[in-house]
Amino acid sequence: DGGITQSPKYLFRKEGQNVTLSCEQNLNHDAMYWYRQDPGQGLRLIYYSQIVNDFQKGDIAEGYSVSREKKESFPLTVTSAQKNPTAFYLCASSAQGDIQYFGAGTRLSVL
Amino acid sequence: RKEVEQDPGPFNVPEGATVAFNCTYSNSASQSFFWYRQDCRKEPKLLMSVYSSGNEDGRFTAQLNRASQYISLLIRDSKLSDSATYLCVARLRGFKTIFGAGTRLFVKA
Repeated sequence: DGGITQSPKYLFRKEGQNVTLSCEQNLNHDAMYWYRQDPGQGLRLIYYSQIVNDFQKGDIAEGYSVSREKKESFPLTVTSAQKNPTAFYLCASSAQGDIQYFGAGTRLSVL
Repeated sequence: RKEVEQDPGPFNVPEGATVAFNCTYSNSASQSFFWYRQDCRKEPKLLMSVYSSGNEDGRFTAQLNRASQYISLLIRDSKLSDSATYLCVARLRGFKTIFGAGTRLFVKA
């Protein structure tokens, strides 16, 4: 089945720890995105990538890092510099300039 | 001011009712618009695109008013399964996409 797969579904981070969220797509989409959603708020863009080996900061990139070594994969690392990481993280992909489709998300909590 | 603003609701309506949501956007350079549906603790899913001429998909009708910079979604004959949060989305040129915070709808039996 074609789609976007995010893992894990739930993740717990200890203080001072970096954690990595996985996002894989088999839709052959060039563009991939990471969003953060907090309760009662809209999605906020963390990073996006329009092509392999290139990515750009979104509105709230501080404390996060990404890589785009393969077209299919766009992992997000939440670093220890992100002081308020508890949120619902959503990965999306799109053909260039087209509709975005989302993975099922990862819920990150702090222990 | 938020770039895309929606009434958070909740809208509580009985089954069979007609309900309408409005959304305003601030950036006149916005090129395309969408409504997404998000169920509790799930990912957003595309409901429909919004075209300048207005468009309909079954019980759902979307309208765009560029002069006033607002978008609307009308749901006719509401079903229990329509209960969800509806996200208004505006896309600027290229990649940048702005999501509203959503309007919550509860349809009651």
